[in-house]
Amino acid sequence: EPEVTQTPSHQVTQMGQEVILRCVPISNHLYFYWYRQILGQKVEFLVSFYNNEISEKSEIFDDQFSVERPDGSNFTLKIRSTKLEDSAMYFCASSGQGHSPLHFGNGTRLTVT
Amino acid sequence: SQQGEEDPQALSIQEGENATMNCSYKTSINNLQWYRQNSGRGLVHLILIRSNEREKHSGRLRVTLDTSKKSSSLLITASRAADTASYFCATDAGTSYGKLTFGQGTILTVHP
Repeated sequence: EPEVTQTPSHQVTQMGQEVILRCVPISNHLYFYWYRQILGQKVEFLVSFYNNEISEKSEIFDDQFSVERPDGSNFTLKIRSTKLEDSAMYFCASSGQGHSPLHFGNGTRLTVT
Repeated sequence: SQQGEEDPQALSIQEGENATMNCSYKTSINNLQWYRQNSGRGLVHLILIRSNEREKHSGRLRVTLDTSKKSSSLLITASRAADTASYFCATDAGTSYGKLTFGQGTILTVHP
């Protein structure tokens, strides 16, 4: 069964550094998402992406965050200047249609020191 | 409470027993989805129930939705040790696709 893959599985970075989290969504999906889960807290929506543009973003997704689909297969989340509070598990997801189930990757655990 | 709140927060049962988890939400929804998460892993979609549906089955899973009470339940019948995981409800309430609001989750432990 096709799946969403994320790399790396764990990223450690220093405060103020830029990080890029990478995702390969399911190939025939059209909608792409990033969610995050701070340890012990709820899974939170960050951003949705469709037709090469952001469809919606949450309050968390400020100017430090950006997303890109640089080619036909990858979907990336960039954090320009990481803060300690950015430490979390970041999940990429994709779906084939609107209002349909999301397929999640296994996540990237980001640790900011 | 916030959109998508589950109870109980933790549930411990013996293999073979049924497990019931509940979810309440605040706003009108397009659909409600249940996901499972094994420790340190991603979320796996279990079942989606649309706002005009009242009950849905998938294998050993049964989901109900009561839009008048803004609540849903997930029943896992004949539980197995492999069902041990966290279970989350997530509501799709807006016009934007895929913007789900997750609850805090129920940690289910099934003892062999």
